[in-house]
Amino acid sequence: SYVLTQPPSVSVAPGKTASLTCGGNNIGSKSVHWYQQKPGQAPVLVINSDTDRPSGIPDRFSGSNSGNTATLTISRVEAGDEADYYCQVWDSSGDHSWVFGGGTKLTVL
Amino acid sequence: QVELVQSGAEVRKPGASVKVSCQASGYNFHSYGFNWVRQAPGQGLEWMGWIAASNGNTNYAQKFQGRVTMTTDTSANTVFMDVRGLRSDDTAVYFCARGLSYTRGADYWGQGTLVTVSS
Repeated sequence: SYVLTQPPSVSVAPGKTASLTCGGNNIGSKSVHWYQQKPGQAPVLVINSDTDRPSGIPDRFSGSNSGNTATLTISRVEAGDEADYYCQVWDSSGDHSWVFGGGTKLTVL
Repeated sequence: QVELVQSGAEVRKPGASVKVSCQASGYNFHSYGFNWVRQAPGQGLEWMGWIAASNGNTNYAQKFQGRVTMTTDTSANTVFMDVRGLRSDDTAVYFCARGLSYTRGADYWGQGTLVTVSS
């Protein structure tokens, strides 16, 4: 089955840029979706299909996807961005299922 | 505005079944489908399957085939997920999440339903 690998944690100072990675075999050929989840809350879609930002998501959030790595970039990080972030793809070649990465805990210093 | 409201917390004994509901409002129910995703305490997200609201077609994760059934009641704009043969490791928060298809991201999520399996 398809595996997505995310670093368990990333730390960044307020106002700086955070780059959260999601690794997978030829992930550039798949559509990657990113979710933000704060404690005790449901996930929120922050990037759809590699680069699309849903309505209401600040333009500080952006996505890219190429080769074996997809990246969620958060510019001008704020304290409110502290959360768990999950990448997700549709595995069309293996189990025909959603696959989630293990999640990255973003800490704002 | 789009809203997905799930049923309340449940406690079940091992071997029992549970049915969780998710009522949608604020959009054309038939135009989207629903994913079900669960999260065990302190763990990550796990996809369970998808149901199309328009025709009830389903696509279950291999792990849950035979133990999970997803259904819709279009008259009530509600989807249901039935989980049978509960085990302690099924203790989790269960989320419904709307999507145009299972190949797309889920843009609206229910608030989650905690299911606790304990003897």
